[in-house]
Amino acid sequence: DVKVTQSSRYLVKRTGEKVFLECVQDMDHENMFWYRQDPGLGLRLIYFSYDVKMKEKGDIPEGYSVSREKKERFSLILESASTNQTSMYLCASSLGKQHNQPQHFGDGTRLSIL
Amino acid sequence: AQKVTQAQTEISVVEKEDVTLDCVYETRDTTYYLFWYKQPPSGELVFLIRRNSFDEQNEISGRYSWNFQKSTSSFNFTITASQVVDSAVYFCALSTSSTGNQFYFGTGTSLTVIP
Repeated sequence: DVKVTQSSRYLVKRTGEKVFLECVQDMDHENMFWYRQDPGLGLRLIYFSYDVKMKEKGDIPEGYSVSREKKERFSLILESASTNQTSMYLCASSLGKQHNQPQHFGDGTRLSIL
Repeated sequence: AQKVTQAQTEISVVEKEDVTLDCVYETRDTTYYLFWYKQPPSGELVFLIRRNSFDEQNEISGRYSWNFQKSTSSFNFTITASQVVDSAVYFCALSTSSTGNQFYFGTGTSLTVIP
């Protein structure tokens, strides 16, 4: 089974802090994704990556950056956290370059910015 | 542009009732895939099914069935004889040949099954 592990289930940070959310997958998947989930808005794509050191902006990249130094790890960085970034963050991975592969998700990180 | 609409925000049913979750999609691509995911209260999205645009056969898996109709751009999900464990948020998603691995998710339908 695919396992996508997010480093924290719950996280509380303060406004202005630099926040790191980590995601690791164990199935050698090429693609990794970061979403945020908010009530009534569904899942919105922040950034994704097709390969090591490669990144693409999703629909809402403002205020975020990402890092993919190793194939199995994809980090989401909030450069200067703000209260409107309080949300559930979901990491996902998928196999290969075809668009038919399902994405596999981690348990999510519920982030609160105070 | 790609879009997925799940018009039902919340549904409540009594245990053992059947329930259908609607999903309507928009795309100009002729090659695309549709997916359903389940998100239980624990938070992890669980992949349920994938359907490609060239296969309109309905699918049944136990109490779950899916009805794909290209004529109405719909990919509806029916749970037969619902159980309390079916309570979750269900998401429909679309990926297309022109957008690669990027998924477009609907806003989800929250299903509550009352014992």
